[in-house]
Amino acid sequence: DTAVSQTPKYLVTQMGNDKSIKCEQNLGHDTMYWYKQDSKKFLKIMFSYNNKELIINETVPNRFSPKSPDKAHLNLHINSLELGDSAVYFCASSSSPGLARDEQFFGPGTRLTVL
Amino acid sequence: ELKVEQNPLFLSMQEGKNYTIYCNYSTTSDRLYWYRQDPGKSLESLFVLLSNGAVKQEGRLMASLDTKARLSTLHITAAVHDLSATYFCAVNFDSNYQLIWGAGTKLIIKP
Repeated sequence: DTAVSQTPKYLVTQMGNDKSIKCEQNLGHDTMYWYKQDSKKFLKIMFSYNNKELIINETVPNRFSPKSPDKAHLNLHINSLELGDSAVYFCASSSSPGLARDEQFFGPGTRLTVL
Repeated sequence: ELKVEQNPLFLSMQEGKNYTIYCNYSTTSDRLYWYRQDPGKSLESLFVLLSNGAVKQEGRLMASLDTKARLSTLHITAAVHDLSATYFCAVNFDSNYQLIWGAGTKLIIKP
């Protein structure tokens, strides 16, 4: 009964490769997010979708492309991986902001290591 | 500019002591969140503070929100080793979808 799940948990790959991370939530939320957490633990929002519509698109390289096939899924595809992409990537979901319980629920994270 | 600042960024303390983590933010908001992250783990929601004067307590942790001062505090009472973690505050400005995150406070509690 995992609320927000991500696969894979670990991803080790060579520079220049293309990889995808998948995220699914079973909380019935209509908003999902991708975050990047660097080695200093700083959290950076990358993208957010609300009901399959892109609503946050922060300044990230266009090698990163999110895709939301439905409101329960948000995937992240990364082309031409670079060393600096090494980080932990978190998926999160929430109900619409402004509701009484609109906090974000996080997945377990995907630790990406680019060699 | 929307900013959220936490201090201290690192705190080492002895078990049994009390301490407070501060979260200041740059402009009006009445929605603030506290999260906990254990090493190598995900982020776990601790508290949701929705209005001025809101106070929430869970065990040895108590969070409060003063929207006029643009300040939230996370108070730890009689700390125990199990509370060692990194604590983040995050602010929602104007009921937006985007949270602005603090840098996190790494808390180490020594037995």
